[in-house]
Amino acid sequence: QSVLTQPPSASGTPGQRVTISCSGSRSNIGSNTVNWYLQLPGMAPKLLIYSYNQRPPGVPDRFSGSNSGTSASLAISGLQSEDEADYFCAAWDDSLNGVLFGGGTKLTVL
Amino acid sequence: EVQLLESGGGLVQPGGSLRLSCAASGFTFSSYAMSWARQAPGKGLEWVSAIYSSGNSTYYAESVKGRFTISRDNSKNTLHLQMNSLRAEDTAVYYCGRAWYFDLWGRGTLVTVSS
Repeated sequence: QSVLTQPPSASGTPGQRVTISCSGSRSNIGSNTVNWYLQLPGMAPKLLIYSYNQRPPGVPDRFSGSNSGTSASLAISGLQSEDEADYFCAAWDDSLNGVLFGGGTKLTVL
Repeated sequence: EVQLLESGGGLVQPGGSLRLSCAASGFTFSSYAMSWARQAPGKGLEWVSAIYSSGNSTYYAESVKGRFTISRDNSKNTLHLQMNSLRAEDTAVYYCGRAWYFDLWGRGTLVTVSS
């Protein structure tokens, strides 16, 4: 079971701003950087945000990350239909000595 | 082109073994830690294992510890995952990833454990 907690679903209309939360603990989000991934149906995941709020080349600035204590958030502004996908957070956990993924959030663009 | 390509998946009986490989190209493989993650059908991502760039340190999820072994051959730019004592719950698409934070993913290889 995932120790990083994400809402199972989120939704928004085109142009809207949506946020997806990721809740953890002191041993993971509270101590280490958070990364976010996007997974389109039938495809491999792709890194979206790393080190809380850094975007790899090619990722639009509509995507942004933030964190506060033991929680992190992914914000998507100017929502587009192609943003419909599954989103996962992840962080290293010092207690487990391994990576934890969130359970994933399915984003629907209405 | 920077890419990772997994191979070695397939159908195996419970209790059996399988060795996955991940061929890296387009970057200096020996400079990066490497990782494996998996995704059961219709489920989320689960981290499986990671290995330092030199290969001298390895990490495993509790669910696979003692059954899976991660290794690498820096001379051949290849990452491996030896999977023994396989169980039905190991059925998943297995992805290799660059670094512990998966800044690059392979396309995945499907492992099905079933009699």
